[in-house]
Amino acid sequence: GAVVSQHPSWVICKSGTSVKIECRSLDFQATTMFWYRQFPKQSLMLMATSNEGSKATYEQGVEKDKFLINHASLTLSTLTVTSAHPEDSSFYICSASAESIYGYTFGSGTRLTVV
Amino acid sequence: ELKVEQNPLFLSMQEGKNYTIYCNYSTTSDRLYWYRQDPGKSLESLFVLLSNGAVKQEGRLMASLDTKARLSTLHITAAVHDLSATYFCAPANFGNEKLTFGTGTRLTIIP
Repeated sequence: GAVVSQHPSWVICKSGTSVKIECRSLDFQATTMFWYRQFPKQSLMLMATSNEGSKATYEQGVEKDKFLINHASLTLSTLTVTSAHPEDSSFYICSASAESIYGYTFGSGTRLTVV
Repeated sequence: ELKVEQNPLFLSMQEGKNYTIYCNYSTTSDRLYWYRQDPGKSLESLFVLLSNGAVKQEGRLMASLDTKARLSTLHITAAVHDLSATYFCAPANFGNEKLTFGTGTRLTIIP
């Protein structure tokens, strides 16, 4: 079945530093990738949608200069949290879709803690 | 803008009992997904419902979709402890691939 690998699983960083999260589709080419953020005991909120080779589309209220998304190939999308602050601490989840798979495949998530 | 409401938000039930989780959404959607999330984990896909009247069943879980009422249900039959998790519905925005997630229902099965 379709597999999406997300790394790292967890990361702790100091306030002001940047963190990069990778999302790879292992056995299919993902035409579209989605990035979500989930605060404790809350639902998933879509941050942005990215298509290979084009700029990501950000949801309202999401700072594009703070959350940099790159979808350089059909198998890799990255989310970089720049100048992270404690309020950015959250669970970040990617998902991928493609015509070759049915529905959406989710990564395992990254727990970011900014101290 | 698609809005999604789930109820109840919290559900504590005894093993062996039946219950239903409801998912209401505000605008037209052409497909709806149900997911399970265990604490600290990502999402596990349960069902995708594609048309009005669609019903899917897997084990003790059964999902249905009424597109006219903009309502989906997830029915739990004879609950067992392993079903304890948070369940999300997510209708797709009509005409694009974006999903809008419901508030989630945290289900706790008590032995």
